[in-house]
Amino acid sequence: GAGVSQSPSNKVTEKGKDVELRCDPISGHTALYWYRQRLGQGLEFLIYFQGNSAPDKSGLPSDRFSAERTGESVSTLTIQRTQQEDSAVYLCASSYTTRSGYGYTFGSGTRLTVV
Amino acid sequence: SQQGEEDPQALSIQEGENATMNCSYKTSINNLQWYRQNSGRGLVHLILIRSNEREKHSGRLRVTLDTSKKSSSLLITASRAADTASYFCASRYFGNEKLTFGTGTRLTIIP
Repeated sequence: GAGVSQSPSNKVTEKGKDVELRCDPISGHTALYWYRQRLGQGLEFLIYFQGNSAPDKSGLPSDRFSAERTGESVSTLTIQRTQQEDSAVYLCASSYTTRSGYGYTFGSGTRLTVV
Repeated sequence: SQQGEEDPQALSIQEGENATMNCSYKTSINNLQWYRQNSGRGLVHLILIRSNEREKHSGRLRVTLDTSKKSSSLLITASRAADTASYFCASRYFGNEKLTFGTGTRLTIIP
């Protein structure tokens, strides 16, 4: 596609429920990144994919968070048993490669609200 | 944490004036990038400067890099109301496959 697409754009869920956030990167971009941004804060790294593998999962806050990517395309970020502190905007970005020298193209994000 | 810091946290200027934002980072970088964010959603890539470059221009944007001070600055000349946004620097540290974002500067242009 022409840009990075994220869905849903907004999600309100009850505490304790599971949620799935989807990211469709730009076609041909092998690198895909997930970040989280709490209100008024900077971006917090979660995980990145090179192709289908995830060499760096160091930013995932707990084992309630997981992500996968299939076919060097769509990625899904899953949060199990959501907590109120999970409320944030979840941003996905893709890049042609993880090699240095390339910028990221971001999606519009998913605003997650846990009530 | 390797997160850098930006300064100031917020900046308000009159339309037509120049805006300068600063960014500091922690260790050696491969490159440093600047992004703009409107309304708290997706970020837009503005400019990338490599560690062996000292200055780069793109339209009304000028970025400088001082690796001895581990700092960068973004200058927006002749500001417009449409420049109102949050601006983030992002560091690509050596040996790291991801960008580490700063805390951001909230820029408001007063018409």
